[in-house]
Amino acid sequence: DAKTTQPPSMDCAEGRAANLPCNHSTISGNEYVYWYRQIHSQGPQYIIHGLKNNETNEMASLIITEDRKSSTLILPHATLRDTAVYYCTFTGGGNKLTFGTGTQLKVEL
Amino acid sequence: DAGVIQSPRHEVTEMGQEVTLRCKPISGHDYLFWYRQTMMRGLELLIYFNNNVPIDDSGMPEDRFSAKMPNASFSTLKIQPSEPRDSAVYFCASSLGKGRYPYEQYFGPGTRLTVT
Repeated sequence: DAKTTQPPSMDCAEGRAANLPCNHSTISGNEYVYWYRQIHSQGPQYIIHGLKNNETNEMASLIITEDRKSSTLILPHATLRDTAVYYCTFTGGGNKLTFGTGTQLKVEL
Repeated sequence: DAGVIQSPRHEVTEMGQEVTLRCKPISGHDYLFWYRQTMMRGLELLIYFNNNVPIDDSGMPEDRFSAKMPNASFSTLKIQPSEPRDSAVYFCASSLGKGRYPYEQYFGPGTRLTVT
């Protein structure tokens, strides 16, 4: 199963950038990195994914290191509504996503 | 699109009873996933389907659990007989895919199951 390491919690001031790191040292060359988040007790929500290059969409930016062993999710201007658990995962062994314990991001005034 | 639809949203049942959870994936999606989430074990993949065919059921905890997908717009997860340790939130998710490779998954709101 895909194995990732994330800090259990992080705090961020509203309006500032939130940078969430993830280590995925066992990722293979053709496996994508995915980020999801889960707000309170809702279903997880897809944020972004990438293979090698940095990616950006309307929600966030994804920076993947050159050796692909780690990545950082960036929320450029965090708001209170971004308070959630953020999961980093990758498709280890095929089509399955394995979710770890994630990072609890708390955005405060 | 209405997104992934799950029913019921809440289910309370007694130990030993049969429980059936239902899921309607997003129209056109060819992958369907069932997950279970508990405080102790986090979010676990139970089983997933591609084009209505079960591909990987290695996460199904035991024979009391079964899942079916009779058509592209409906899937069920059944627990018979239910036990208190089955209490959890069960999520269904769906995605498009290209061949064997699925794209991002869209999750439903979940069914909160309580077995007393």
